[in-house]
Amino acid sequence: SQQGEEDPQALSIQEGENATMNCSYKTSINNLQWYRQNSGRGLVHLILIRSNEREKHSGRLRVTLDTSKKSSSLLITASRAADTASYFCATDRGNNRLAFGKGNQVVVIP
Amino acid sequence: KAGVTQTPRYLIKTRGQQVTLSCSPISGHRSVSWYQQTPGQGLQFLFEYFSETQRNKGNFPGRFSGRQFSNSRSEMNVSTLELGDSALYLCASSLDRSYYEQYFGPGTRLTVT
Repeated sequence: SQQGEEDPQALSIQEGENATMNCSYKTSINNLQWYRQNSGRGLVHLILIRSNEREKHSGRLRVTLDTSKKSSSLLITASRAADTASYFCATDRGNNRLAFGKGNQVVVIP
Repeated sequence: KAGVTQTPRYLIKTRGQQVTLSCSPISGHRSVSWYQQTPGQGLQFLFEYFSETQRNKGNFPGRFSGRQFSNSRSEMNVSTLELGDSALYLCASSLDRSYYEQYFGPGTRLTVT
């Protein structure tokens, strides 16, 4: 089954810097979604990008999708301490069955 | 709108027992999915319900089952609990499939001793 895989696995940055995470997957998708999770709590939906879209913005978030390379990236600009969390990408083939990557731990140092 | 709610938030059970977890989706959402999260396996899809019908099922043994009621609320049941069932169980709701975001609840932390 397809599964998103994030890279890098862990990221430590200073407050105000940008954070970039990449995600790769193996098969065709309907859409790709990014989620944030704080300390083993529920997942917070960040952004959904459709397979026919190449870039999407939401506040300080920018997501790109390259279906030819089967990859996506999440950019968080001007990071804040509150952005400290685990970030997951999840692929959806259109059947609501999300396939998650292992997650990317981001630590923002004040 | 109220978010996805899950009850209970924490549970401690003994091996061999059974457990029922509950999920109330966002008002108007008809699709409810369940996921298991463990440190070793990560987030894994259990099943999805839509209009009281199971539309999709993950690779979990038959001890894991679920159902959805006419008001879209969903329950999942795990029978004959094993130590490996200890996990965070997450419920997600969405309007339907394809291009609809899934919104997750806070999860139920199940510990099997």
